[in-house]
Amino acid sequence: DAGVIQSPRHEVTEMGQEVTLRCKPISGHDYLFWYRQTMMRGLELLIYFNNNVPIDDSGMPEDRFSAKMPNASFSTLKIQPSEPRDSAVYFCASSLRQARMNTEAFFGQGTRLTVV
Amino acid sequence: GDSVTQMEGPVTLSEEAFLTINCTYTATGYPSLFWYVQYPGEGLQLLLKATKADDKGSNKGFEATYRKETTSFHLEKGSVQVSDSAVYFCALLFSSNTGKLIFGQGTTLQVKP
Repeated sequence: DAGVIQSPRHEVTEMGQEVTLRCKPISGHDYLFWYRQTMMRGLELLIYFNNNVPIDDSGMPEDRFSAKMPNASFSTLKIQPSEPRDSAVYFCASSLRQARMNTEAFFGQGTRLTVV
Repeated sequence: GDSVTQMEGPVTLSEEAFLTINCTYTATGYPSLFWYVQYPGEGLQLLLKATKADDKGSNKGFEATYRKETTSFHLEKGSVQVSDSAVYFCALLFSSNTGKLIFGQGTTLQVKP
């Protein structure tokens, strides 16, 4: 397997524009996580899914952020409208639940978002 | 609520020095514990893990022991190398059926030749 694949790797956009980040989890994994990493706040869990269903979105900063997982092999994180303070590295990760325990999470390379 | 606290960095060491990065957690039940490493420009990679009390995780010369009595999972290495320079994250997997994984704030390690 190629691992967790995120696209794009880098995104530069103007304030007010819509941004869509994409993630393809490892095949067969049933958990998918979206994290945001900044110098100030470290690594924050935004939302996670189990079997394509959002389980906990309490980390989503505000209504401008939304995430979907239409099927087991694809998820998106959308910011609309984007603001400069959204600039960060966004990571997607996936894991598998086996024998009532979760395996470790496998991370993508991240998307570095810059909003100017 | 459940949380993970790591020692603040950056930690700067000379090559072959002994490394300790402290990690303590607050959790209900019995979480699984992990150390992840992030090299510059890359995503996080699992370094080691422990799933129950007194387990010792080890990999690439790094070790950490799951101490339930002190709610700790400190990372150690006897002799660091320049190539160990990275950011290290302690993480906790909730013991309930949620699958929720949360991280400490990360500790930057810089090893000088």
